[in-house]
Amino acid sequence: QLQLHESGPGLVKPSETLSLTCTVSSGSITTSYYWGWIRQPPGKGLEWIGSIYYSGSTYYNASLKSRVTLSVDTSNNQFSLKLNSVTAADTAVYYCARHGIPGTTFGCFDPWGQGTLVTVSS
Amino acid sequence: DIQMTQSPSSLSASVGDRVTISCRASQGISNYLAWYQQKPGKVPKVLIYGASTLQSGVPSRFSGSGSGTDFTLTISSLQSEDVATYYCQKYNSGPFTFGGGTKVQIK
Repeated sequence: QLQLHESGPGLVKPSETLSLTCTVSSGSITTSYYWGWIRQPPGKGLEWIGSIYYSGSTYYNASLKSRVTLSVDTSNNQFSLKLNSVTAADTAVYYCARHGIPGTTFGCFDPWGQGTLVTVSS
Repeated sequence: DIQMTQSPSSLSASVGDRVTISCRASQGISNYLAWYQQKPGKVPKVLIYGASTLQSGVPSRFSGSGSGTDFTLTISSLQSEDVATYYCQKYNSGPFTFGGGTKVQIK
């Protein structure tokens, strides 16, 4: 059963870059799926950040696009998120998830990683 | 961009009640809509995709309907384990926007 696991620093200083990696296990990242990032500030709702295909094709949330970089490492079955110039507003649980091709029946997000809390504070 | 609006933002109902949650898209998205359940402190999980297809393993008391701009998630008989926040999400094309969520509690 496909599993995703987020890893990275739990504390990032303001103005610095948040970097997270999602490792995919029990399955290949080079399949016909997109790999996405979602975040959830404490006590708030879900916000989609962006998604990447193994070929490098990407979708971004326009509100974050100027600060986000997504990348994929097929040799290690991983994909990564970089969010620069962070502020306290970027404090959230960050999830990675797989989703199908947009505009197809199975385009929903499943499965999800367990999430990792990233706090932005000096 | 298409906005996803859920209502109500919260509700309280008794065990056994029929519960209905609405999700409205600001433009048509065909049936490319999913519903997720997030229990307190847990990871969201997909309940329904394609607006009305039940994910494997999800109890049959959950159902989804709608197409275009108006969608509904129904719990036919609310159980205590259904206490959670429910989110809709569009996936016809990017951006893959979530609704604001509906918090369901037991009265």
